[in-house]
Amino acid sequence: EVQLVESGGGLVKPGGSLRLSCAASGFAFSTYSVNWVRQAPGKGLEWVSSINSNSAYIYYADSVKGRFTISRDNAKNSLYLQMNSLRAEDTAVYYCARIVGTTGNYYLDNWGQGTLVTVSS
Amino acid sequence: SYELTQPPSVSVSPGQTARITCSGDALPIQYGYWYQQKPGQAPVLVIYKDSERPSGIPERFSGSSSGTTVTLTISGVQAEDEADYYCQSSDSSGTFYVFGTGTKVTVL
Repeated sequence: EVQLVESGGGLVKPGGSLRLSCAASGFAFSTYSVNWVRQAPGKGLEWVSSINSNSAYIYYADSVKGRFTISRDNAKNSLYLQMNSLRAEDTAVYYCARIVGTTGNYYLDNWGQGTLVTVSS
Repeated sequence: SYELTQPPSVSVSPGQTARITCSGDALPIQYGYWYQQKPGQAPVLVIYKDSERPSGIPERFSGSSSGTTVTLTISGVQAEDEADYYCQSSDSSGTFYVFGTGTKVTVL
């Protein structure tokens, strides 16, 4: 069974930093691209960042570019999101999700349960 | 930036058919995907590549595509189908993920 388990969320002050982790199991993590997607309270889904299987291709949404860094450790079956210079508008539940599909047509077939990040003074 | 537009809400009586549309300029060349999200839960994929249904998803969920619009149809709606539904696609370059604005389905 595919499992994705996020951790690392919490309360942080504006301008602070936080590192999220996503532990993967039940599939060959090293062969899949993975995403971070977030959802602000009462709002819709927003794609944050993607990383391919060997970390050669990394993409960010404009809203987080320059502040967030996605990375992975295939030996540990883990995905990370380093979040710096956090703002109130970064408050959201952050989900990691497995990417499947073909070139130019990717989608998310398995999601974790999410971890809540709250940015507030 | 590229946007996918959905109606904010759809109301339907049990046993009836709910149709949720998603409009976007790149949809003629990009597939549409649909996710169901119940309160406090993670999204679940219910339709991929416009009309394919993942294993474990009930047959009452179906998808279609026409021009700049993809549609999720729930036939014979059940109370358990009450949820938020999001479409997803890519921009014309196929690089970035875009989610629709979301539709709340209410079963009357």
